[in-house]
Amino acid sequence: DVKVTQSSRYLVKRTGEKVFLECVQDMDHENMFWYRQDPGLGLRLIYFSYDVKMKEKGDIPEGYSVSREKKERFSLILESASTNQTSMYLCASSLTGEAFFGQGTRLTVV
Amino acid sequence: KQEVTQIPAALSVPEGENLVLNCSFTDSAIYNLQWFRQDPGKGLTSLLLIQSSQREQTSGRLNASLDKSSGRSTLYIAASQPGDSATYLCAVRSYSGSARQLTFGSGTQLTVLP
Repeated sequence: DVKVTQSSRYLVKRTGEKVFLECVQDMDHENMFWYRQDPGLGLRLIYFSYDVKMKEKGDIPEGYSVSREKKERFSLILESASTNQTSMYLCASSLTGEAFFGQGTRLTVV
Repeated sequence: KQEVTQIPAALSVPEGENLVLNCSFTDSAIYNLQWFRQDPGKGLTSLLLIQSSQREQTSGRLNASLDKSSGRSTLYIAASQPGDSATYLCAVRSYSGSARQLTFGSGTQLTVLP
């Protein structure tokens, strides 16, 4: 069974904290993605990576950065968390075909 | 830029009914289209993937069709059950922009009443 695992299901952080969201896939996929999902706005792409150390901005990269040091791991970094980054964060991976998602991380910034 | 629309936004049906969910996209130059299911507070579960060269895919009670020329896909659910209650999302992978990106619709929230 294919697997994409996000490090936390629920996370509560304070404003201004540096936050790391981790995602690991076991399918040797080249492409990995970070989305956020908000009511009424749907899924929006933050960043994606198509190879180790390679990254491209998605639709809403402001306030975020990413790291991909190993093929199986893709990290999303909130440099200084703000309340408007409270959201559901979803990681996905794919080759050129089917995309697979992790279970999601519900992040609350207080 | 690719845009994906799903209508209706919400649907409520009695158990046992057959139903169709709709997905439309503006740019027909797609690589593939994928249907997902999302339960409240959870991640997305892949249901069906249709490659651009295919017309339909089937898995159990689910059948997805693709008509690239008209920019439409449908997800047919046969003999619906309360356990089918969830939000259903379609996503397309396009040749425009980065071919690796998925563009999502906003989803159809399905409720199957016992």
